[in-house]
Amino acid sequence: ETGVTQTPRHLVMGMTNKKSLKCEQHLGHNAMYWYKQSAKKPLELMFVYSLEERVENNSVPSRFSPECPNSSHLFLHLHTLQPEDSALYLCASSPSFPWEASEQFFGPGTRLTVL
Amino acid sequence: QKEVEQDPGPLSVPEGAIVSLNCTYSNSAFQYFMWYRQYSRKGPELLMYTYSSGNKEDGRFTAQVDKSSKYISLFIRDSQPSDSATYLCAMSAGAGGTSYGKLTFGQGTILTVHP
Repeated sequence: ETGVTQTPRHLVMGMTNKKSLKCEQHLGHNAMYWYKQSAKKPLELMFVYSLEERVENNSVPSRFSPECPNSSHLFLHLHTLQPEDSALYLCASSPSFPWEASEQFFGPGTRLTVL
Repeated sequence: QKEVEQDPGPLSVPEGAIVSLNCTYSNSAFQYFMWYRQYSRKGPELLMYTYSSGNKEDGRFTAQVDKSSKYISLFIRDSQPSDSATYLCAMSAGAGGTSYGKLTFGQGTILTVHP
């Protein structure tokens, strides 16, 4: 595997379910990010981790819970979601933090549908 | 007012046309400017990166930044069907002060180049 991988690629869940999204980066980067991409809206930064420490929680509801066990893996735990949480969830990584001018590399995303 | 404004399109052009994509912004602290390309069912990938004002050329792509007008552009010459994608502008104030290099994205312009 190369770059940033995300699993699953598609997820359908009910409002009472609990599920987790997984992200893995194979680039040796120190920072990882979760973004939400909704139709006709800009990418919304949700969480930033640097060297496994959360450095940003961008006013995200508590039904989204991130976890970063090491610098290569990032999870997003989901519970009691709402239909408006349906979106593409993108994971990204970057070589350094604080990010000055380094590129963020994105995974392919998980398409989440909440019924 | 949104921090970054980008016309969502969609934009449809014939093969070989010159394409102009634009973003305006309101935060005068932005000094790093990027264009990402996102193909369907893929994550965004960095296409062009510019620091401060000026032009940057890479093959058929030219990025322009006019900080005095708070306006950035991406030009695509001799457009090809393979250029069909969503183009996202992104910008950052850098890692100084309370900003840690957070990227602020436009909502993306959907481009279709037809043969």
